[in-house]
Amino acid sequence: NAGVTQTPKFQVLKTGQSMTLQCAQDMNHNSMYWYRQDPGMGLRLIYYSASEGTTDKGEVPNGYNVSRLNKREFSLRLESAAPSQTSVYFCASSELSGRVGGDTQYFGPGTRLTVL
Amino acid sequence: GESVGLHLPTLSVQEGDNSIINCAYSNSASDYFIWYKQESGKGPQFIIDIRSNMDKRQGQRVTVLLNKTVKHLSLQIAATQPGDSAVYFCAEINTGFQKLVFGTGTRLLVSP
Repeated sequence: NAGVTQTPKFQVLKTGQSMTLQCAQDMNHNSMYWYRQDPGMGLRLIYYSASEGTTDKGEVPNGYNVSRLNKREFSLRLESAAPSQTSVYFCASSELSGRVGGDTQYFGPGTRLTVL
Repeated sequence: GESVGLHLPTLSVQEGDNSIINCAYSNSASDYFIWYKQESGKGPQFIIDIRSNMDKRQGQRVTVLLNKTVKHLSLQIAATQPGDSAVYFCAEINTGFQKLVFGTGTRLLVSP
């Protein structure tokens, strides 16, 4: 199993450009999440999808949109990138089946995004 | 509001020592806690978890202790190795929302 994969690994954008970050998991997990990580801020939840077909806002959703394409894939889109969106973006997934340990989230390797 | 925080931003230990990383949480309704390890340039990696009906759980070289009375969580690493050098995060589940709330992290530095 590859676990959680993310593409691209690195990206540089100019202010106003758009892009989509891709995430896929092969663990048959129900729930998927997008976080951003900034120095001294820890991990902050942008959006999550508790199950296929549903998405909900997290702590910092402004400037982002998401699509739960199917059970495996969850993408994050920046429609008009801003320098404040320079960050490392992590995708995660969890089983969330009610089973003990099902809440544990497993993370991808991250996408390092710079907006100039 | 609810928050998860850490007492020490950086912990330096010698190889072979035992390490203790602490975490305080404020949401008494949280019932599930996780410790993650994040190495430079990588995503957080699950280490160990504990539910609120337990006060101790052991893994391989790691032990998590939960003190619900003072809302305190700790991660103990036995015989710390250079490969343990990383940032360690505690996280709690936000009851009813199934969303993790992360602390800002503690950096563990292990010197030979």
